[in-house]
Amino acid sequence: DIQMTQSPSSLSASVGDRVTITCQASQDISNDLNWYQQKFGKAPRLLISDASNLATGVPSRFSGSGSGTHFTFTISSLQSEDIATYYCQQYDSVPYTFGPGTKLEIK
Amino acid sequence: EVRLVESGGDLVQPGGSLRLSCAASGFTFSSYEMNWVRQAPGKGLEWIAYISSIGTTIYYADSVRGRFTISRDDAKNSLSLQMNSLRAEDTAIYYCARGPFNLGDWGQGTLVTVSS
Repeated sequence: DIQMTQSPSSLSASVGDRVTITCQASQDISNDLNWYQQKFGKAPRLLISDASNLATGVPSRFSGSGSGTHFTFTISSLQSEDIATYYCQQYDSVPYTFGPGTKLEIK
Repeated sequence: EVRLVESGGDLVQPGGSLRLSCAASGFTFSSYEMNWVRQAPGKGLEWIAYISSIGTTIYYADSVRGRFTISRDDAKNSLSLQMNSLRAEDTAIYYCARGPFNLGDWGQGTLVTVSS
C-alpha cells in the first residue's frame, strides 16, 4: 500500500498569512493526488484534483503543486472560514489512501 | 444539484451485521463510479470500497475485505454497503462519495457504532 504523510499535523496562522502544507507519498504517484478540506462536523470537500487543478467553485487562494512523491498545498491569504482539517489522498493505486490530516487554526 | 443521502447507521453488537444505503439524486447515477469512505471518531479519513459504474469492478481496503460488500442498484439510484462480522474498530461515520478518484460529492454520513 502507498503510505501518505503530511506535515505539519497542526498549524496556527493569522488571517492574511500564506499557509503551506506538504504531503509525501511512499512511492511515485505521478500527479494522482487530491486535496480535501473538512470543516468540523461536515463531510469533506474536494479542493484540488490531479495535484494542481482547482475544483469547481473553489476560491483561487487555494492551490496545489508537485508530482512524484512530494506535493504542496497552499492558501495564499488565509481567511477565517478556512479553519478546517486538510487531507491529501492518492489515487494512483488501490487502496486510495489519505494522509493523516493537517488541522489548521487561526492564531 | 447532486445529492447523496446515507442511511442505515445504528448501534450494533460486535459480530453483528448492518446494511447501509446511499440514495443518489441530481445526476445520472448509473454513469458514475461510487465509493464508501469512513471516519472513526476524532480520526482521519479511510477509503474502504469502490464500485465501477456498471458494477463489474470492485475494490476493498484490506481492513474490510471479506466482511463488507459494496453493491449498487441503478434502477433505484442506490448504493449499498453490507457489513458483516462487525468489530469495535468499525465504529465510524460512513460516507458515500461520487468517484471515481476525485471524490467531488459526498453525503452527510451515517454513524455506525459497534459496541456491546
